[in-house]
Formats: sequence, structure tokens, C-alpha cells
Amino acid sequence: GQQVMQIPQYQHVQEGEDFTTYCNSSTTLSNIQWYKQRPGGHPVFLIQLVKSGEVKKQKRLTFQFGEAKKNSSLHITATQTTDVGTYFCAGDHTGTASKLTFGTGTRLQVTL
Amino acid sequence: DAGVTQSPTHLIKTRGQQVTLRCSPKSGHDTVSWYQQALGQGPQFIFQYYEEEERQRGNFPDRFSGHQFPNYSSELNVNALLLGDSALYLCASSFKLTLYSAETQYFGPGTRLLVL
Repeated sequence: GQQVMQIPQYQHVQEGEDFTTYCNSSTTLSNIQWYKQRPGGHPVFLIQLVKSGEVKKQKRLTFQFGEAKKNSSLHITATQTTDVGTYFCAGDHTGTASKLTFGTGTRLQVTL
Repeated sequence: DAGVTQSPTHLIKTRGQQVTLRCSPKSGHDTVSWYQQALGQGPQFIFQYYEEEERQRGNFPDRFSGHQFPNYSSELNVNALLLGDSALYLCASSFKLTLYSAETQYFGPGTRLLVL
């Protein structure tokens, strides 16, 4: 079946440093979504990427979808303590967002 | 405008018992998906309901079943509980323009199930 892996599993940065998490799918994706889950919370939708090579920005967050639509990345510039949480990518292989395959997640810890 | 709500928030059951979890979608949403999230892992897709029918199913046994009501709310039933069913069960709702469209999913707070 489809697999979606993320690296790193965990990253600890000091406030102000940059952070990047990478997502790789075993198969081509129709689209990819990114979610953030705070400790003890539930996943919160961040963004959806659909087109090959697409790049989207949300303030300090930059999301990229690979040309082959099998990988994606999330980059956070100048991290803040509010960025703490686990970041998941979720791949849609069906084109209907009916069966998202979530990645393994990257847990981000930010200290002052 | 209420978001996705789930009940109960926490539940403790013993092996072999049955459990029913409930989900009310965000106002205006007609599609409900259920996910299981084990500790330290990403959510795993169980199934999705649209127009009161199961449209997609993940790799979960028949012990996991569901239902969607005319008001779009949904239930997840798990029979013959196993220790390994202990997890956070998440409900996500969305609005489908068509059966084949892809829209943003909004997650509820989840139900934390512990099987002893």
C-alpha cells in the first residue's frame, strides 16, 4: 500500500533558527496537505498543494510540492515557541481527499 | 459557528466490549471521515461517509463499522475490542462539491479510547 515517510522524526531548535521537514511518498500523489498538531491537540489544516512544483507561503512558512508529485517540504523561517508541535504531511492518492495517507510526522521543539 | 464536535472525550473499555463514538460535522459540511491515531504516530484512515454511504475504507477489519445520519452526523462502532484499539479516534468533516472533489478536512478534538 501507499507509504508516506517524513524526516526528521524530531528536531530541537533554538528560537530564531530555521526548520525544515521533508515528506516522501512511495507513489505519485494527486495532492498533498500539511497539518500541525499541538501536544494533546488535534491536527489543524495548514495548506493543500495540488500542482507539480507548486510553492506556497504563509507568513514564515513555505510549502513546496515536488516536480514528480512524490515529495514535499515545509520550511519555517525564524522559528518561534508558538511553532512547537508535530507537523504531518498527508498524501491524497485518489484525487478525492477521501483517503488521506498521513506521514509519520516531525516533532518540532523550540527553546529560547 | 460550531466546529467539529466529538463525544465522548475519553472512554475506558475492557477487551471484548463494544464501543460507539459520535461525531457532528462542522456546519455546512456533508462528509465525515474517521481516523485512528496511536500514540506517537500519524492518523490512519478508517473510512469516509458521504450521502450516508461508506465511500472509501482503509485497512481496518470489519470490527470497525460506521454510520452516517441524514443530518450528516456520524458514528464509529468498534466490536470485540482489543488492547491494540487503544488510540485517539479523530473525526474530520468536509464539504464535497462532487463525489470526486477534494476539499479541506477539519478535525474534531477526538475521543481517547483506552482498552484494558
